Amino acid sequence: EIVLTQSPGTLSLSPGERATLSCRASQSVSSSYLAWYQQKPGQAPRLLIYGASSRATGIPDRFSGSGSGTDFTLTISRLESEDFAVYYCQSGITFGPGTKVDIK
Amino acid sequence: QVHLQESGPGLVKPSQTLSLTCTVSGDSIRSSGDFWSWIRQHPGKGLEWIGYVYYSGNTHYNPSLKSRVFISVDTSKNQFSLELTSVTAADTAVYYCARSPLHFIDYWGQGILVTVSP
Repeated sequence: EIVLTQSPGTLSLSPGERATLSCRASQSVSSSYLAWYQQKPGQAPRLLIYGASSRATGIPDRFSGSGSGTDFTLTISRLESEDFAVYYCQSGITFGPGTKVDIK
Repeated sequence: QVHLQESGPGLVKPSQTLSLTCTVSGDSIRSSGDFWSWIRQHPGKGLEWIGYVYYSGNTHYNPSLKSRVFISVDTSKNQFSLELTSVTAADTAVYYCARSPLHFIDYWGQGILVTVSP
């Protein structure tokens, strides 16, 4: 069973800054199987990226995904106030533990 | 627009069976070709995929829960259901139903908090 590790656990940044979130898999995964979600308190997660790099419908282009094999990255080019949330990667039936992006 | 809605009791006693239903609108379980999933989130914690069902009734369960989980589908009602047996306080969580077109989840229900308590 694949284990996903996300780093850092918490990322403290200011609006307008660039956020780089990492997701590492315990074994190589197909890029088709890697997705990213955003979750805000009291809400269900929202799909951001699927297939490692494809943005879901309605997701702003400041969100981008990249990577292959065991190392994947979610980048938010310029943080806006609504982007402060927890981000999860997912492959198969496994989710990573999440990275919290909070306001510095 | 696809919409999923969880329903069921918000309080279950220890050792009993947790039963939830997800009603789907805006899409047909029978014809969509998607997988229909249950995912849970313990309070303040991350996400845990419980399992999923295909319209045919084929299922796949998380190995950590497999012995206690049963997911079924009722295409006539456009619903799918979760049963989790022998619950303990560790099963207290928000339970989400969701749609998985391929290897990701594109639509989620709002979630339902289920508390296991005497």
